[in-house]
Amino acid sequence: NAGVTQTPKFRVLKTGQSMTLLCAQDMNHEYMYWYRQDPGMGLRLIHYSVGEGTTAKGEVPDGYNVSRLKKQNFLLGLESAAPSQTSVYFCASSYPSREQFFGPGTRLTVL
Amino acid sequence: KQEVTQIPAALSVPEGENLVLNCSFTDSAIYNLQWFRQDPGKGLTSLLLIQSSQREQTSGRLNASLDKSSGRSTLYIAASQPGDSATYLCAALGHSGGGADGLTFGKGTHLIIQP
Repeated sequence: NAGVTQTPKFRVLKTGQSMTLLCAQDMNHEYMYWYRQDPGMGLRLIHYSVGEGTTAKGEVPDGYNVSRLKKQNFLLGLESAAPSQTSVYFCASSYPSREQFFGPGTRLTVL
Repeated sequence: KQEVTQIPAALSVPEGENLVLNCSFTDSAIYNLQWFRQDPGKGLTSLLLIQSSQREQTSGRLNASLDKSSGRSTLYIAASQPGDSATYLCAALGHSGGGADGLTFGKGTHLIIQP
């Protein structure tokens, strides 16, 4: 089992560009999450999903959109990247109210 | 809003010592509390999960306790080794969203074990 995988691992964008981060899990988990990690701020929840076709906002959702068309995939989109979105992005998945498993992260730099 | 605090922010001890990392949370209505390890530039590795109905969990040299009433959890590391050097994160899963709120993280304890 690969667990939780994320693509890409690294990305550099210019301000205003768009991109999509892909998260995939092979554990048949219902819940999936996107977090961002910033120095001094810790990890914060961006969006989450409790099942295929459903998404909800977390603590810091502005500037991001998400979609969950398939149970195993959770996409995070940046429509118009800003330097404030420079961060490390982590995806996680779990069964309801159970242990969360994290992917290796995507390092994004917005110039 | 849940807030999670970890003390100390950094800790450096000689190899072989037993040590305790502390975590406190403001809202006791949690589903569970999870401890993670993060190595520099890497992802999060889950160490222990304590459900709200449990008092402690053990895995090898690690023992985590949970006291919901006081809003505290501790991670005990026995016989520390240089390979234990990492940042340790504590995270609480809130109760308000049916377990789907996502984890609220502390800022971590950066641990260095001196050979």
